[in-house]
Amino acid sequence: AQSVTQLDSHVSVSEGTPVLLRCNYSSSYSPSLFWYVQHPNKGLQLLLKYTSAATLVKGINGFEAEFKKSETSFHLTKPSAHMSDAAEYFCVVSDRSNYQLIWGAGTKLIIKP
Amino acid sequence: EAQVTQNPRYLITVTGKKLTVTCSQNMNHEYMSWYRQDPGLGLRQIYYSMNVEVTDKGDVPEGYKVSRKEKRNFPLILESPSPNQTSLYFCASSLSGTDYEQYFGPGTRLTVT
Repeated sequence: AQSVTQLDSHVSVSEGTPVLLRCNYSSSYSPSLFWYVQHPNKGLQLLLKYTSAATLVKGINGFEAEFKKSETSFHLTKPSAHMSDAAEYFCVVSDRSNYQLIWGAGTKLIIKP
Repeated sequence: EAQVTQNPRYLITVTGKKLTVTCSQNMNHEYMSWYRQDPGLGLRQIYYSMNVEVTDKGDVPEGYKVSRKEKRNFPLILESPSPNQTSLYFCASSLSGTDYEQYFGPGTRLTVT
């Protein structure tokens, strides 16, 4: 069975410093992986996705993620945090065996001025 | 405008009173699904539908029903709501299955007293 673990429930960084949100997954085959963002009192939006093409994936708003099969990781990074990045971020794996998406518990990103 | 709409956005009801949350998409998407979001648990899939007349259970289907009579609509039915169904509910759709970007509705906040 597929599973997703987001290693930090909260991450706090200062504005202008790098962001790292960690995600590990388990999958019995080559997965599709996604990061979604949810701003306060807003809906969910796709940040980026990996579907077995390039292992370094670029998304919106300067975010990127690297698929590392050997480490079963798909960490999300951004070189310089902005106040508008404050939100909750979800790592998601696609389970093709049953057409379901498996969601991590989420990481709340806090940006300090 | 391409979108997923949900109604109502907010609902307070009492235990046992049947209710329906509607979901409609205008993008001709095949795949639709319902999630509930609870603090610290991420999103959990309730039901999904690969296409018209085909639905299947997600991870937390107990106490919920769905139907997919038309491609664009995927209502969520709570026959006899209970307080443990108090949650934030999201409907989502995608072109075809879980390898594609999910488009989310704005959410329905349900309180069952």
